[in-house]
Amino acid sequence: AQSVSQHNHHVILSEAASLELGCNYSYGGTVNLFWYVQYPGQHLQLLLKYFSGDPLVKGIKGFEAEFIKSKFSFNLRKPSVQWSDTAEYFCAVNRRQASGTYKYIFGTGTRLKVLA
Amino acid sequence: NAGVMQNPRHLVRRRGQEARLRCSPMKGHSHVYWYRQLPEEGLKFMVYLQKENIIDESGMPKERFSAEFPKEGPSILRIQQVVRGDSAAYFCASSPAGTSNYEQYFGPGTRLTVT
Repeated sequence: AQSVSQHNHHVILSEAASLELGCNYSYGGTVNLFWYVQYPGQHLQLLLKYFSGDPLVKGIKGFEAEFIKSKFSFNLRKPSVQWSDTAEYFCAVNRRQASGTYKYIFGTGTRLKVLA
Repeated sequence: NAGVMQNPRHLVRRRGQEARLRCSPMKGHSHVYWYRQLPEEGLKFMVYLQKENIIDESGMPKERFSAEFPKEGPSILRIQQVVRGDSAAYFCASSPAGTSNYEQYFGPGTRLTVT
């Protein structure tokens, strides 16, 4: 079945550690890719997005993601995490359906806890 | 510049009652999406609406659930005869158009608890 997979459901890191969260999707063709973050008690906010062009995308708060088409991946990275990065992170794919409309498919999320 | 508004933020209903969840999109946005979030399951698409039109309801359960986005007023997600399994967080998102080039802006969600 076509899906968006986030393999790490829970990640615990110490401050200043490097972060990489995996995201793989199984859709062929053209897709648009997103990472959203949900801080405790808050709504989802966009971290970064990829539509086309440079496959290395830089987002807010020092996050970046790399689109590797051959691997169907869009992994999220941050060189040095902070306690305030504690949140849940969602990868999402937006693709055109046969009906012509676009639909977002979200991964199951990764809960990141950063220890001070 | 108000974002996506949802109310109520928390809703408690007894089994068999009706739940009405409201979503006001961002100003200038005419496309609304509803998602359900269950623990450990991420966000599941439910329905996509434009003003007075349901565009895609492929994620809506066939019974008890309905959604509308009238010409005036907020979008409403209605759940009739709620059951315990309906307990979840329901998020609404909006975008200015339905093409692929627009991100979705999310509201704070409504947490429905069915007792």
